[in-house]
Amino acid sequence: NAGVTQTPKFQVLKTGQSMTLQCAQDMNHNSMYWYRQDPGMGLRLIYYSASEGTTDKGEVPNGYNVSRLNKREFSLRLESAAPSQTSVYFCASSEFGAVANEQFFGPGTRLTVL
Amino acid sequence: GENVEQHPSTLSVQEGDSAVIKCTYSDSASNYFPWYKQELGKGPQLIIDIRSNVGEKKDQRIAVTLNKTAKHFSLHITETQPEDSAVYFCAASTGGGADGLTFGKGTHLIIQP
Repeated sequence: NAGVTQTPKFQVLKTGQSMTLQCAQDMNHNSMYWYRQDPGMGLRLIYYSASEGTTDKGEVPNGYNVSRLNKREFSLRLESAAPSQTSVYFCASSEFGAVANEQFFGPGTRLTVL
Repeated sequence: GENVEQHPSTLSVQEGDSAVIKCTYSDSASNYFPWYKQELGKGPQLIIDIRSNVGEKKDQRIAVTLNKTAKHFSLHITETQPEDSAVYFCAASTGGGADGLTFGKGTHLIIQP
């Protein structure tokens, strides 16, 4: 099992450009998440998807959109990138249950916006 | 919403000594408290977690304690080894289902040889 995979690993964009970060998991998890990690800030939740067909905003959703393509894949889109979106982006997945469960993280995408 | 505070931001200990990292949370409804280890250039990896109906949990050299009344929880690493050097994050979740995690800002643990 590959677990959670993310593409690309690195990306440099110019202000105003758009791009989509891809995430896939092979653990048959229902729930998936997108976080961003900035120096000294820990990880902050951008969007999440409890199950296929549903998405919800997290703590810092502005400037992002998401698509839950199917049970395996959850993508994050930046429509018009800004320097403030320079960050490392992590995708995670977990089992859906009555109580919170372990979240498994991907290796991250390092994004720089010039 | 939930707020998680983590201290210290940097911790340096001698190899073989113990390390303690502390976190506090604000939402009394939080019921799940995981600890993640992140090595340079990698994603966070769960090392131990605890639920609100348990006061302490241990896994070999790692233990976590939870004080619901005071709303704080701590990570204890005994007999530290060089491979324990990493950034450690505490987190909290208030709900079930698919609720996301609220993370602390991290502790950079340095094991001195």
